[in-house]
Amino acid sequence: GESVGLHLPTLSVQEGDNSIINCAYSNSASDYFIWYKQESGKGPQFIIDIRSNMDKRQGQRVTVLLNKTVKHLSLQIAATQPGDSAVYFCAEGGVRNQGGKLIFGQGTELSVKP
Amino acid sequence: EPEVTQTPSHQVTQMGQEVILRCVPISNHLYFYWYRQILGQKVEFLVSFYNNEISEKSEIFDDQFSVERPDGSNFTLKIRSTKLEDSAMYFCASSEFLGISGNTIYFGEGSWLTVV
Repeated sequence: GESVGLHLPTLSVQEGDNSIINCAYSNSASDYFIWYKQESGKGPQFIIDIRSNMDKRQGQRVTVLLNKTVKHLSLQIAATQPGDSAVYFCAEGGVRNQGGKLIFGQGTELSVKP
Repeated sequence: EPEVTQTPSHQVTQMGQEVILRCVPISNHLYFYWYRQILGQKVEFLVSFYNNEISEKSEIFDDQFSVERPDGSNFTLKIRSTKLEDSAMYFCASSEFLGISGNTIYFGEGSWLTVV
């Protein structure tokens, strides 16, 4: 039969603009959070991570913000480029005795218009 | 840059058949994982493996699934008797340390399994 997938949240931005992708996580015991980028037909590609003892971490053109009070994570991409078009997943992990398991969020599809 | 490699990239199998998906993790990594992603859905954890033992497994990873590190480089996922709902992209991943240390988990490009 026909499979029905989730309808991903989408974000469409103009090339050169900044993008903000949001994620709510579920487990207050999670210690470690990661953003992955997934292009069509490929595996998740690591972008940036953050530990729970931090609230902000910057990389090259990307910044991750963590708000533990409301269990919210965001990814900011500066000067978005067409090559940034992909699905972005947040993942949470780092819970002790869970064998390194990551729990992925639903994903947001970023579309960059040239 | 070191990478996780997976074979085959795509496999079509008949329902009830056994399938083995193969992975070569990054060479100095000690922790290995399998995840799957049903078309259009989010990535789901299946199992983690360290020191020749399963560290953690999800409810998806039932008796039909098994993992093995048959030699010093390969890490395999076996599905004993495939079902239609096993159709998905299966990702192998590895990390140098356990995830709680805040280290990076690297994913392979995936093996797309189609059960007919």
